[in-house]
Amino acid sequence: AQSVTQPDIHITVSEGASLELRCNYSYGATPYLFWYVQSPGQGLQLLLKYFSGDTLVQGIKGFEAEFKRSQSSFNLRKPSVHWSDAAEYFCAVGAYGGATNKLIFGTGTLLAVQP
Amino acid sequence: NAGVTQTPKFQVLKTGQSMTLQCAQDMNHNSMYWYRQDPGMGLRLIYYSASEGTTDKGEVPNGYNVSRLNKREFSLRLESAAPSQTSVYFCAVGGGPVTEAFFGQGTRLTVV
Repeated sequence: AQSVTQPDIHITVSEGASLELRCNYSYGATPYLFWYVQSPGQGLQLLLKYFSGDTLVQGIKGFEAEFKRSQSSFNLRKPSVHWSDAAEYFCAVGAYGGATNKLIFGTGTLLAVQP
Repeated sequence: NAGVTQTPKFQVLKTGQSMTLQCAQDMNHNSMYWYRQDPGMGLRLIYYSASEGTTDKGEVPNGYNVSRLNKREFSLRLESAAPSQTSVYFCAVGGGPVTEAFFGQGTRLTVV
């Protein structure tokens, strides 16, 4: 069965420090992978996505993620965190085929940014 | 363009009451989804509809029913609300191969 694991429930970083949020997936075929961000009281906004090709993908707000098939991982990174990055981050895998068209989410990582 | 519109934004129900959450899109996507979000559990798929006229169960369908009224609208019904259904509900569209999912702003439901 398809699944997504985000091992870190809560992370605190200092403003200006680098960030890496972990994501591991389980999926039998080539995965479609996404990172979403949710600010308090808001819906989810797409940060970036991987469908195929270059395994390092760039997203909005200075985020990037690297797909590593051998590790079943799709970790999100940012070289220098800003206070406005404080939010909850969700990794997701798309499961598609036939009549199936599902997007499965991890449990999220809550990011706090210290001044 | 409104994108994905959910109504209502907030609702308080008494145990046993029924209600329908509405979702409408103007993005012309075939796929539509209902998720619930609970602290520490991420977003869990309740039901989805890959195309007009089809619906399928997700991870947590018990206590819910859905209707894909047409390509634009996908409603979620709670026939007899329970406190365990207190949650934030999100409708999403798209999410098929090559494209991402787009989310509504959510409905915060409290069942007392």
